[in-house]
Amino acid sequence: AQKITQTQPGMFVQEKEAVTLDCTYDTSDPSYGLFWYKQPSSGEMIFLIYQGSYDQQNATEGRYSLNFQKARKSANLVISASQLGDSAMYFCAMREGQGSGSRLTFGEGTQLTVNP
Amino acid sequence: GAGVSQSPSNKVTEKGKDVELRCDPISGHTALYWYRQSLGQGLEFLIYFQGNSAPDKSGLPSDRFSAERTGGSVSTLTIQRTQQEDSAVYLCASSSFTGSQYFGPGTRLLVL
Repeated sequence: AQKITQTQPGMFVQEKEAVTLDCTYDTSDPSYGLFWYKQPSSGEMIFLIYQGSYDQQNATEGRYSLNFQKARKSANLVISASQLGDSAMYFCAMREGQGSGSRLTFGEGTQLTVNP
Repeated sequence: GAGVSQSPSNKVTEKGKDVELRCDPISGHTALYWYRQSLGQGLEFLIYFQGNSAPDKSGLPSDRFSAERTGGSVSTLTIQRTQQEDSAVYLCASSSFTGSQYFGPGTRLLVL
Protein backbone atom coordinates (compact mmCIF):
# COMPACT_ATOMS: atom_id res chain seq x y z
CA ALA A 1 0.00 0.00 0.00
CA GLN A 2 1.14 3.52 -0.74
CA LYS A 3 2.34 5.30 2.37
CA ILE A 4 1.74 8.77 0.94
CA THR A 5 -0.95 9.47 -1.63
CA GLN A 6 -1.36 12.69 -3.54
CA THR A 7 -4.39 12.28 -5.76
CA GLN A 8 -4.06 15.52 -7.74
CA PRO A 9 -1.38 15.28 -10.44
CA GLY A 10 -2.15 18.88 -11.46
CA MET A 11 -3.98 21.83 -9.97
CA PHE A 12 -4.78 25.30 -11.31
CA VAL A 13 -5.60 28.38 -9.26
CA GLN A 14 -6.13 32.05 -10.00
CA GLU A 15 -3.66 34.50 -8.53
CA LYS A 16 -4.74 35.77 -5.08
CA GLU A 17 -7.08 32.84 -4.48
CA ALA A 18 -6.53 30.03 -1.97
CA VAL A 19 -5.78 26.46 -3.01
CA THR A 20 -5.74 23.14 -1.17
CA LEU A 21 -3.37 20.35 -2.12
CA ASP A 22 -4.44 16.93 -0.87
CA CYS A 23 -2.31 14.38 0.94
CA THR A 24 -3.32 11.18 2.70
CA TYR A 25 -0.96 8.87 4.52
CA ASP A 26 -0.82 5.38 5.92
CA THR A 27 1.13 4.34 9.00
CA SER A 28 0.68 2.22 12.10
CA ASP A 29 3.38 4.11 14.00
CA PRO A 30 1.80 6.45 16.59
CA SER A 31 4.75 8.83 16.26
CA TYR A 32 5.30 10.38 12.86
CA GLY A 33 5.87 13.68 11.11
CA LEU A 34 4.37 15.11 7.97
CA PHE A 35 6.16 17.52 5.67
CA TRP A 36 5.44 19.57 2.60
CA TYR A 37 8.14 20.55 0.13
CA LYS A 38 8.02 22.84 -2.90
CA GLN A 39 10.09 22.02 -5.98
CA PRO A 40 10.24 24.82 -8.59
CA SER A 41 11.39 24.14 -12.12
CA SER A 42 14.95 24.87 -11.00
CA GLY A 43 14.83 21.58 -9.09
CA GLU A 44 15.68 22.46 -5.51
CA MET A 45 13.49 21.05 -2.73
CA ILE A 46 12.28 23.81 -0.45
CA PHE A 47 10.95 22.88 2.99
CA LEU A 48 7.59 24.57 3.63
CA ILE A 49 5.89 23.21 6.72
CA TYR A 50 5.96 20.41 9.30
CA GLN A 51 3.25 18.75 11.40
CA GLY A 52 4.01 16.28 14.18
CA SER A 53 1.55 13.53 14.97
CA TYR A 54 1.20 14.71 18.55
CA ASP A 55 0.80 18.38 17.70
CA GLN A 56 -2.54 19.65 18.94
CA GLN A 57 -2.80 22.55 16.55
CA ASN A 58 -2.50 22.75 12.79
CA ALA A 59 0.87 24.04 11.65
CA THR A 60 1.06 27.43 9.95
CA GLU A 61 3.96 29.20 8.22
CA GLY A 62 3.03 32.51 6.62
CA ARG A 63 0.69 31.80 3.71
CA TYR A 64 1.02 28.04 4.22
CA SER A 65 -1.12 26.06 6.63
CA LEU A 66 -1.53 22.35 7.10
CA ASN A 67 -5.05 20.99 7.58
CA PHE A 68 -4.23 17.98 9.76
CA GLN A 69 -7.09 15.51 10.24
CA LYS A 70 -5.53 12.66 12.19
CA ALA A 71 -8.54 10.34 12.22
CA ARG A 72 -8.83 10.59 8.45
CA LYS A 73 -5.04 10.39 8.02
CA SER A 74 -4.95 13.46 5.88
CA ALA A 75 -2.51 16.38 5.86
CA ASN A 76 -3.66 18.82 3.20
CA LEU A 77 -1.60 21.91 2.39
CA VAL A 78 -3.50 25.18 2.10
CA ILE A 79 -1.85 28.07 0.29
CA SER A 80 -3.64 31.37 0.80
CA ALA A 81 -3.46 34.36 -1.54
CA SER A 82 -1.65 32.46 -4.31
CA GLN A 83 1.17 34.19 -6.12
CA LEU A 84 2.66 33.50 -9.55
CA GLY A 85 5.84 32.33 -7.82
CA ASP A 86 3.89 29.55 -6.14
CA SER A 87 3.77 27.67 -9.44
CA ALA A 88 5.81 24.54 -8.75
CA MET A 89 5.63 20.86 -7.89
CA TYR A 90 4.54 20.19 -4.30
CA PHE A 91 5.46 17.02 -2.44
CA CYS A 92 3.95 15.63 0.74
CA ALA A 93 6.27 13.42 2.79
CA MET A 94 6.14 11.39 5.99
CA ARG A 95 8.76 10.43 8.56
CA GLU A 96 7.85 7.53 10.83
CA GLY A 97 9.25 7.44 14.36
CA GLN A 98 10.76 10.07 16.62
CA GLY A 99 13.45 12.52 15.70
CA SER A 100 15.38 12.59 12.48
CA GLY A 101 16.23 8.91 12.68
CA SER A 102 14.37 7.74 9.63
CA ARG A 103 13.92 8.45 5.98
CA LEU A 104 11.20 10.51 4.38
CA THR A 105 8.68 8.74 2.20
CA PHE A 106 7.39 11.01 -0.55
CA GLY A 107 4.19 11.15 -2.52
CA GLU A 108 4.15 11.49 -6.30
CA GLY A 109 3.61 15.22 -6.13
CA THR A 110 1.08 17.79 -7.36
CA GLN A 111 1.98 20.28 -10.09
CA LEU A 112 0.43 23.64 -9.15
CA THR A 113 -0.04 26.34 -11.76
CA VAL A 114 -1.02 29.83 -10.66
CA ASN A 115 -2.74 31.80 -13.42
CA PRO A 116 -2.58 35.62 -13.60
CA GLY B 1 26.00 30.17 2.20
CA ALA B 2 24.82 28.07 5.12
CA GLY B 3 22.76 25.55 3.14
CA VAL B 4 23.47 22.05 1.87
CA SER B 5 25.82 22.09 -1.11
CA GLN B 6 26.32 19.42 -3.75
CA SER B 7 28.81 18.95 -6.53
CA PRO B 8 28.91 18.65 -9.42
CA SER B 9 25.61 20.28 -10.34
CA ASN B 10 25.55 18.33 -13.59
CA LYS B 11 27.39 15.19 -14.67
CA VAL B 12 27.34 13.47 -18.04
CA THR B 13 29.08 10.13 -18.22
CA GLU B 14 29.33 7.12 -20.45
CA LYS B 15 27.73 3.82 -19.60
CA GLY B 16 30.14 1.67 -17.61
CA LYS B 17 32.10 4.52 -16.05
CA ASP B 18 32.19 5.24 -12.31
CA VAL B 19 30.92 8.54 -10.87
CA GLU B 20 31.30 10.27 -7.51
CA LEU B 21 28.77 12.75 -6.19
CA ARG B 22 29.58 14.97 -3.24
CA CYS B 23 27.40 16.44 -0.49
CA ASP B 24 28.40 19.05 2.08
CA PRO B 25 25.70 19.22 4.78
CA ILE B 26 24.67 22.14 6.93
CA SER B 27 27.26 22.67 9.67
CA GLY B 28 26.22 20.96 12.89
CA HIS B 29 23.66 18.66 11.29
CA THR B 30 24.20 15.12 12.48
CA ALA B 31 21.99 13.34 9.96
CA LEU B 32 22.63 13.11 6.21
CA TYR B 33 20.41 11.52 3.59
CA TRP B 34 20.74 10.66 -0.10
CA TYR B 35 17.65 10.45 -2.34
CA ARG B 36 17.17 9.89 -6.05
CA GLN B 37 14.53 11.54 -8.22
CA SER B 38 13.87 10.13 -11.67
CA LEU B 39 12.20 12.34 -14.28
CA GLY B 40 8.68 13.30 -13.22
CA GLN B 41 8.79 11.10 -10.13
CA GLY B 42 8.84 11.58 -6.38
CA LEU B 43 11.95 11.04 -4.33
CA GLU B 44 13.34 7.60 -3.61
CA PHE B 45 15.39 7.06 -0.44
CA LEU B 46 18.88 5.66 -0.94
CA ILE B 47 20.95 5.86 2.25
CA TYR B 48 21.05 7.60 5.63
CA PHE B 49 23.89 8.49 8.01
CA GLN B 50 23.37 9.50 11.65
CA GLY B 51 26.42 10.49 13.66
CA ASN B 52 28.77 7.57 14.20
CA SER B 53 26.07 4.92 13.81
CA ALA B 54 26.14 2.37 11.02
CA PRO B 55 24.40 3.84 7.96
CA ASP B 56 20.98 2.68 6.83
CA LYS B 57 21.74 1.38 3.33
CA SER B 58 18.37 -0.26 2.78
CA GLY B 59 17.42 2.01 -0.13
CA LEU B 60 20.46 1.40 -2.31
CA PRO B 61 19.18 -0.21 -5.54
CA SER B 62 22.20 -2.41 -6.22
CA ASP B 63 25.72 -3.17 -5.04
CA ARG B 64 27.01 -0.74 -7.66
CA PHE B 65 25.91 2.04 -5.30
CA SER B 66 27.87 2.93 -2.19
CA ALA B 67 28.30 5.96 0.03
CA GLU B 68 30.55 7.11 2.78
CA ARG B 69 30.61 10.00 5.19
CA THR B 70 34.00 11.15 6.38
CA GLY B 71 34.47 12.83 9.74
CA GLY B 72 30.73 13.08 10.25
CA SER B 73 30.46 15.80 7.64
CA VAL B 74 30.99 15.52 3.89
CA SER B 75 29.49 12.53 2.11
CA THR B 76 30.31 10.92 -1.23
CA LEU B 77 27.89 8.76 -3.20
CA THR B 78 29.66 6.48 -5.66
CA ILE B 79 28.01 4.69 -8.56
CA GLN B 80 30.18 2.06 -10.23
CA ARG B 81 29.73 0.82 -13.79
CA THR B 82 26.93 3.30 -14.45
CA GLN B 83 23.86 2.21 -16.41
CA GLN B 84 21.40 4.36 -18.35
CA GLU B 85 18.72 3.72 -15.71
CA ASP B 86 20.95 5.48 -13.17
CA SER B 87 20.17 8.77 -14.91
CA ALA B 88 18.35 10.92 -12.37
CA VAL B 89 18.73 13.83 -10.00
CA TYR B 90 20.57 12.82 -6.84
CA LEU B 91 19.54 14.91 -3.85
CA CYS B 92 21.27 15.16 -0.52
CA ALA B 93 19.58 16.40 2.66
CA SER B 94 20.72 17.03 6.20
CA SER B 95 18.98 17.61 9.49
CA SER B 96 19.67 18.15 13.14
CA PHE B 97 18.68 15.30 15.44
CA THR B 98 15.10 16.44 15.86
CA GLY B 99 14.79 18.74 12.89
CA SER B 100 13.37 18.81 9.41
CA GLN B 101 15.42 17.77 6.40
CA TYR B 102 16.92 20.52 4.27
CA PHE B 103 17.90 19.63 0.72
CA GLY B 104 20.78 20.60 -1.49
CA PRO B 105 20.33 21.69 -5.12
CA GLY B 106 20.99 18.18 -6.43
CA THR B 107 23.30 16.63 -9.00
CA ARG B 108 21.77 15.89 -12.39
CA LEU B 109 23.34 12.71 -13.69
CA LEU B 110 22.99 11.66 -17.30
CA VAL B 111 24.40 8.31 -18.40
CA LEU B 112 24.78 8.02 -22.15
